[in-house]
Amino acid sequence: ELKVEQNPLFLSMQEGKNYTIYCNYSTTSDRLYWYRQDPGKSLESLFVLLSNGAVKQEGRLMASLDTKARLSTLHITAAVHDLSATYFCAVDIELSGATNKLIFGTGTLLAVQP
Amino acid sequence: GAGVSQSPRYKVAKRGQDVALRCDPISGHVSLFWYQQALGQGPEFLTYFQNEAQLDKSGLPSDRFFAERPEGSVSTLKIQRTQQEDSAVYLCASSLPETGENSDTQYFGPGTRLTVL
Repeated sequence: ELKVEQNPLFLSMQEGKNYTIYCNYSTTSDRLYWYRQDPGKSLESLFVLLSNGAVKQEGRLMASLDTKARLSTLHITAAVHDLSATYFCAVDIELSGATNKLIFGTGTLLAVQP
Repeated sequence: GAGVSQSPRYKVAKRGQDVALRCDPISGHVSLFWYQQALGQGPEFLTYFQNEAQLDKSGLPSDRFFAERPEGSVSTLKIQRTQQEDSAVYLCASSLPETGENSDTQYFGPGTRLTVL
């Protein structure tokens, strides 16, 4: 059974600090997604990581993928309050029709304190 | 452009009632997915359509759940004889199979929050 585990599940951090969220998964996959979810809102796509060693950055967030270790990280640099949200990683599993379904981690609730 | 829309946004049902949840995907998106998100959890896959064909329904929790997409655009998720354990947010996502930077990215709607009393 495919498992996708994130840690920590909850992260309280001060503005200006750096931190990393980890996403481990239990089966082979070449694609990993990071999504953001604000309370009561839907999921917003942040990053698509397509290959081993992929690194993408957007603002204060940087995501990386190591397919050999089955590990992705989401690094937060100099956190600001606006980054407070729940972050999900998701691994894709190929379905028939050459598309994919997503297996999500349990999420990391990030609270950035002033 | 317009994103994925879902209606209703909130639904309260009495145990045993039938409910129907609607999803309007992004225009032109071939693939459509339904996910169930319980409180404090990540979304879990329910079913997938490619155009009007339901190619995978392995995540549907029971035969009380079924989904359709008769014309390959709008989809409806129907839950019969609702139970309390059906309470969750039901998310719809669509995608356009493609290569490159946004490979197969799924775009999610706002969800329908179902509460079964």
